Amino acid sequence: GDSVTQTEGQVALSEEDFLTIHCNYSASGYPALFWYVQYPGEGPQFLFRASRDKEKGSSRGFEATYNKETTSFHLQKASVQESDSAVYYCALGEYPGTGSNRLTFGKGTKFSLIP
Amino acid sequence: DAGVTQTPRHEVAEKGQTIILKCEPVSGHNDLFWYRQTKIQGLELLSYFRSKSLMEDGGAFKDRFKAEMLNSSFSTLKIQPTEPKDSAVYLCASSLWPGPYEQYFGPGTRLTVL
Repeated sequence: GDSVTQTEGQVALSEEDFLTIHCNYSASGYPALFWYVQYPGEGPQFLFRASRDKEKGSSRGFEATYNKETTSFHLQKASVQESDSAVYYCALGEYPGTGSNRLTFGKGTKFSLIP
Repeated sequence: DAGVTQTPRHEVAEKGQTIILKCEPVSGHNDLFWYRQTKIQGLELLSYFRSKSLMEDGGAFKDRFKAEMLNSSFSTLKIQPTEPKDSAVYLCASSLWPGPYEQYFGPGTRLTVL
């Protein structure tokens, strides 16, 4: 079945560092790809999505580019702040024509700022 | 616009009790999802509805978990009987169809079973 593998566990950086959270997917079709962010005590929030090869999604200073060749959708941010501390989820959406809006989520990656 | 509403935010139950969690999706959304979230397993899909029709029922959760769409703007998740291993955050999400569209999540209900 479809699956998503993202950077495992936690990532800790200093303020203004460059953040990368890796996301790779496995799917037999041409899925849509999503990034979500979750703050403590809240549900996951949609960040952005991309639906085709080489499409870039972006929001709040975060961005990721759909790469069909490497089956990847890595999340990046140029200069992290305290407010970016959260858990980030990569997700894969059913490809067009399946009749389903189901998402398959990765395990999540926790990002925190080194004090 | 109102987002996804979930009540209660916290629930404490004794082992063996029946609990009902409630969800109101974003107005106009026709897909509704129930998830369980734990640190170990992450996000697990419990049920998926389109309008009032069940699209998917998470296989591992069928015996004690029952989700229903009472109408297009209200859903419940019943857990009967509860067990300590059910302690988790239960999330409801909704989205538009046809997709692929993002899902909008509620704040979740934190369930503790003693």
